[in-house]
Amino acid sequence: SQTIHQWPATLVQPVGSPLSLECTVEGTSNPNLYWYRQAAGRGLQLLFYSVGIGQISSEVPQNLSASRPQDRQFILSSKKLLLSDSGFYLCAWSTGVQETQYFGPGTRLLVL
Amino acid sequence: GESVGLHLPTLSVQEGDNSIINCAYSNSASDYFIWYKQESGKGPQFIIDIRSNMDKRQGQRVTVLLNKTVKHLSLQIAATQPGDSAVYFCAENWTSQGNLIFGKGTKLSVKP
Repeated sequence: SQTIHQWPATLVQPVGSPLSLECTVEGTSNPNLYWYRQAAGRGLQLLFYSVGIGQISSEVPQNLSASRPQDRQFILSSKKLLLSDSGFYLCAWSTGVQETQYFGPGTRLLVL
Repeated sequence: GESVGLHLPTLSVQEGDNSIINCAYSNSASDYFIWYKQESGKGPQFIIDIRSNMDKRQGQRVTVLLNKTVKHLSLQIAATQPGDSAVYFCAENWTSQGNLIFGKGTKLSVKP
């Protein structure tokens, strides 16, 4: 069966520091991968998605970037965090663009 | 802006009663819909999906109804239990869109 992992689970970082969040998927090949951000009590905002290694599409302009160095690895990064980057970051995978997305456990980021 | 919205942001029901969570969508071209359940501090969990060639689909204690005429989607939970307490999101997709569009969510509280 397929599983999706995210780490760390929680992170507290100072403003201006770098960020690296990791997501890995097991049990499937060539998945579509997604990064979402969820503000407290709000819906899901799609940040990036990838249909293959090295292929990244950005949905909104922001202080973040994404990379996919391996088939089942998706990384969310920032060179300098802003207070507004705080939130709950979710990684998801699917077998195709119009298929169900399955979410990881999320990373809660607090920027102080 | 978001094309998927919810009629009620919060819903409180008595344990054992049936729950109905509603969702409106604005794009008549949407042809795939998903309901997710998100418990506090966790990633969204897939509940049930439906494609536009159907108007009803049943799972274990859950039923999704799709009314394409009025662009309305609902999730019915039978014999609601305390473990059903969570935020429920609907999501839509259409062929040219590629990615899911999420609604803001409805918080379901189950009173013992």
